[in-house]
Amino acid sequence: AQKVTQAQTEISVVEKEDVTLDCVYETRDTTYYLFWYKQPPSGELVFLIRRNSFDEQNEISGRYSWNFQKSTSSFNFTITASQVVDSAVYFCALGKAAGNKLTFGGGTRVLVKP
Amino acid sequence: DVKVTQSSRYLVKRTGEKVFLECVQDMDHENMFWYRQDPGLGLRLIYFSYDVKMKEKGDIPEGYSVSREKKERFSLILESASTNQTSMYLCASRPTRLLTQYFGPGTRLLVL
Repeated sequence: AQKVTQAQTEISVVEKEDVTLDCVYETRDTTYYLFWYKQPPSGELVFLIRRNSFDEQNEISGRYSWNFQKSTSSFNFTITASQVVDSAVYFCALGKAAGNKLTFGGGTRVLVKP
Repeated sequence: DVKVTQSSRYLVKRTGEKVFLECVQDMDHENMFWYRQDPGLGLRLIYFSYDVKMKEKGDIPEGYSVSREKKERFSLILESASTNQTSMYLCASRPTRLLTQYFGPGTRLLVL
């Protein structure tokens, strides 16, 4: 069975602080995919990134960066110099190589205060 | 841009009513999904469809059914709404060649 754990339910920071969201996953598959989605107050989940299990390179996109460590089954997400617009719920998800099912973590609510 | 729309943002229904939630995508995606989102539980898959008239149960199908008569439209049906079906419902779609799912804005359903 697959499982995704986001241990932090809520994080509150002041604008310009960095914030790191933890994601730990469990799977028996050797090939799998990991995702991060952002859910702003409007409700729609916005796709941020997808990584496959063979690519452990860290990735940076603007103020966002991701640290994938297969050895610890973690796929952590850092927002650098946070802004109020980063306030949202962030979900980590795990997908099989074949098939349609995504397993989501419980989400981490990030509140960035001005 | 992928566009997934849901018929209502907010719905209030009474226990025992039949409820229809509609989802439409405009990108000719083969696969469509219905999730429910509850605090602390993340998103849980109710049903998905990989083609017209085809459907498969997800993790929590009890109390729900689905219909996919046209490729662009996927409906979630609550045959007899109950208070424990009060939740946020999210629709998603993806093309078979890609793994990323694209989500609609969600429908907040309150069952009284």
